[in-house]
Amino acid sequence: EAGVAQSPRYKIIEKRQSVAFWCNPISGHATLYWYQQILGQGPKLLIQFQNNGVVDDSQLPKDRFSAERLKGVDSTLKIQPAKLEDSAVYLCASSFGGSSYNEQFFGPGTRLTVL
Amino acid sequence: AQRVTQPEKLLSVFKGAPVELKCNYSYSGSPELFWYVQYSRQRLQLLLRHISRESIKGFTADLNKGETSFHLKKPFAQEEDSAMYYCALSGIGAGSYQLTFGKGTKLSVIP
Repeated sequence: EAGVAQSPRYKIIEKRQSVAFWCNPISGHATLYWYQQILGQGPKLLIQFQNNGVVDDSQLPKDRFSAERLKGVDSTLKIQPAKLEDSAVYLCASSFGGSSYNEQFFGPGTRLTVL
Repeated sequence: AQRVTQPEKLLSVFKGAPVELKCNYSYSGSPELFWYVQYSRQRLQLLLRHISRESIKGFTADLNKGETSFHLKKPFAQEEDSAMYYCALSGIGAGSYQLTFGKGTKLSVIP
């Protein structure tokens, strides 16, 4: 089966600019996750969707980050305006369900550099 | 709060030597522990989970609740084991199961 798709793979922007990332999960996966991975750290969950509803966005910096999954399939993560500390790899993952028993499958990530 | 600690950033071993990647966790409930691996230029993927009690690619991990540890072990390292390894804990966060990752250990197997 096809894996989780993400685009773009790389993005370089200047601080205060806006940027958007796109994710297409594995077909049939109801749960979608966005993670931020700063260099030298493990992935950190930003937001979790179950179908088109938000399950957990407690670690999402809502003053500048937003995410949506309008039709319960693809998702977009936006940063507006970007700060230097937002430089990271943004990973999208999906799973069949939201319980801990459901394996999460990760996309290749989008590497963001903020200058 | 849940926390995962991987004390080693880098671990170098010779081919054929035993490997142990350390992982300690902090969680007030009953945790579920996982090891994820990322090979060079590949995606992050699940290696094994404690609940399965299985050996994957020769790796095993035992959950020790008394020591709050979940170390990953392999008796004989192979060159293809060189990768980044992340220990992760699944616990209830803000009303849902959250995966919390450690900072990762880079394993380098020397030929």
